[in-house]
Amino acid sequence: QSVLTQPPSVPGAPGQRVTISCTGSSSNIGAGYDVHWYEQVPGTAPKLLIYGNTNRPSGVPDRFSGSKSGTSASLAISGLQAEDEADYYCQSYDSSLSGVVFGGGTKLTVL
Amino acid sequence: QVQLQESGPGLVKPSETLSLTCTVSGGSVSNSNFYWSWIRQPPGKGLEWIGYIDYSGSTSNNPSLKSRVTISLDTSKKQFSLKLSSVTAADTAVYYCARRGIVCSNTSCYPGWFDPWGQGTLVTVSS
Repeated sequence: QSVLTQPPSVPGAPGQRVTISCTGSSSNIGAGYDVHWYEQVPGTAPKLLIYGNTNRPSGVPDRFSGSKSGTSASLAISGLQAEDEADYYCQSYDSSLSGVVFGGGTKLTVL
Repeated sequence: QVQLQESGPGLVKPSETLSLTCTVSGGSVSNSNFYWSWIRQPPGKGLEWIGYIDYSGSTSNNPSLKSRVTISLDTSKKQFSLKLSSVTAADTAVYYCARRGIVCSNTSCYPGWFDPWGQGTLVTVSS
């Protein structure tokens, strides 16, 4: 089981707004450690989508946004497009494990 | 911009040692702001952090992999390497190398995000 919990799948219709949650604990997200998000199209390497909870790297559309509160974080995607169909992973640091932790991943399906 | 490329055998026999190399281009591996990392993804599963090394050769590994992991850095070749010993079928995965940043607050620094990533290489453990 992953230290960070994500829903296995999230569906959405084109143009819709969806959110993907990432739930941790007091030793990772709740301890104040930043959350980062990655997008992985099947067969390709993960790509950084959001860093430092809310920041978008250059080239990432502003349709993607991140937030964090308490022991959880969320990735929101607005104006859903077919090309957004991918797997999304959250990542943080865990002080109890003294290491990097990932969520189990969420498969976004665009209906 | 910085690019990373993994290389190494795609097939390893059980109980043997998996060896991979990541070559960095477009940037220096001696930058103290970055750590050079290995991450793997078993077929159909999620991401697992393996470990990382900094410019001075200091390493940190995932405790779940215990002492099977060795990561080294060759600054002259701009390469870093992974050795995973005593492999089993459970070690079959796509192995990625990536650059990891650092996040610093007022009191401490801790691992940040991974960017960029190599394209990944599939390693199968089978006799």
